[in-house]
Amino acid sequence: KAGVTQTPRYLIKTRGQQVTLSCSPISGHRSVSWYQQTPGQGLQFLFEYFSETQRNKGNFPGRFSGRQFSNSRSEMNVSTLELGDSALYLCASDKTSGSYNEQFFGPGTRLTVL
Amino acid sequence: AQSVTQLDSHVSVSEGTPVLLRCNYSSSYSPSLFWYVQHPNKGLQLLLKYTSAATLVKGINGFEAEFKKSETSFHLTKPSAHMSDAAEYFCVVRVNSGGYQKVTFGTGTKLQVIP
Repeated sequence: KAGVTQTPRYLIKTRGQQVTLSCSPISGHRSVSWYQQTPGQGLQFLFEYFSETQRNKGNFPGRFSGRQFSNSRSEMNVSTLELGDSALYLCASDKTSGSYNEQFFGPGTRLTVL
Repeated sequence: AQSVTQLDSHVSVSEGTPVLLRCNYSSSYSPSLFWYVQHPNKGLQLLLKYTSAATLVKGINGFEAEFKKSETSFHLTKPSAHMSDAAEYFCVVRVNSGGYQKVTFGTGTKLQVIP
């Protein structure tokens, strides 16, 4: 069974640009969550999508957005990039939303903003 | 509201000695608790989880954790550290409130294993 895949694995952008990250969950999983990991702030929850609907949202500015497609694949978009957006972005999938199962994490996308 | 406190940012042990990584939590609801491990430049891997069944939970690679409600703790232990255990460990609280989940990560504990 294939795991969670994230593309691209590494990305370098400049301030002001926008970026789109992609996440393909485990087959049969319908919930996708996104996290930002930085040395200073640790792991912070961005948002969760389930059945193409945003179910939950963390405390991030509107520059961070996402969507989920009918095949459960999800994309995350960050507009008007800032230096502080440099981070490892992790995607996690789960069978359902609000369950007590564990989330399965992808390897992450390392975003560097210059 | 919920929170997770990992009491040590760094822990150093000698190979073959016991490991103790401490985690305390607070939650208004009955939480599920997880420990994840992250090796350098890798994603997170689940070590074990507590979901209101047995309070002593056994995980992969010889790790286990005990849920102590009275102490609001979920400490991670291993009897004998191995070099491959060197990584960062995260304690996670997950609550289902009205069908919405809230996930809170601890700040992580970096485990160093000295040969």
